[in-house]
Amino acid sequence: EPEVTQTPSHQVTQMGQEVILRCVPISNHLYFYWYRQILGQKVEFLVSFYNNEISEKSEIFDDQFSVERPDGSNFTLKIRSTKLEDSAMYFCASSPSSGRALAQYFGPGTRLTVT
Amino acid sequence: GESVGLHLPTLSVQEGDNSIINCAYSNSASDYFIWYKQESGKGPQFIIDIRSNMDKRQGQRVTVLLNKTVKHLSLQIAATQPGDSAVYFCAENMGGGADGLTFGKGTHLIIQP
Repeated sequence: EPEVTQTPSHQVTQMGQEVILRCVPISNHLYFYWYRQILGQKVEFLVSFYNNEISEKSEIFDDQFSVERPDGSNFTLKIRSTKLEDSAMYFCASSPSSGRALAQYFGPGTRLTVT
Repeated sequence: GESVGLHLPTLSVQEGDNSIINCAYSNSASDYFIWYKQESGKGPQFIIDIRSNMDKRQGQRVTVLLNKTVKHLSLQIAATQPGDSAVYFCAENMGGGADGLTFGKGTHLIIQP
């Protein structure tokens, strides 16, 4: 069964550094998403991406964040200057169409630790 | 405030019994709901979904019920097994062109042997 994959599984970085989290969505899916989950809290939506542009973003997704689909398979989340409060699990998800219509399938996550 | 929340943070059931996990939502415009299961250290795993034009949907050992009158969603798991131990989240799409899902805090289901 096709799965969303994410790398790395764990990323440790110093405050102020840039990080790039990588995802390979399910191959025939068209919509891509990033969510985060701070330890012990609920999953929060960051951004959705369709047709090579951002479709929707939340208040969390400020100018420090960016997303890109550099090729036909990868989908990345970049945090330009990490803060301590960026420490969280970051999940990539994909769906065949908009989340309004069909389920979003999640990857295993990248644990980001900012020190 | 939260649009989606769960009544109980922890639910403990005997192996083989049925489990019912509840979820309340406050946005009457929400038109699509999903239940996810999250095991420790893993991403949310899709279990079952339901659209707002339905009251009930069944899957393998799971049933989702939607009561739009009281804005309540439940997940029923039949004959719970040790592998069902996890945190269960309900998530909603609020409609109006939104893509993102709004998640509840989660209920930790514990299966007693």
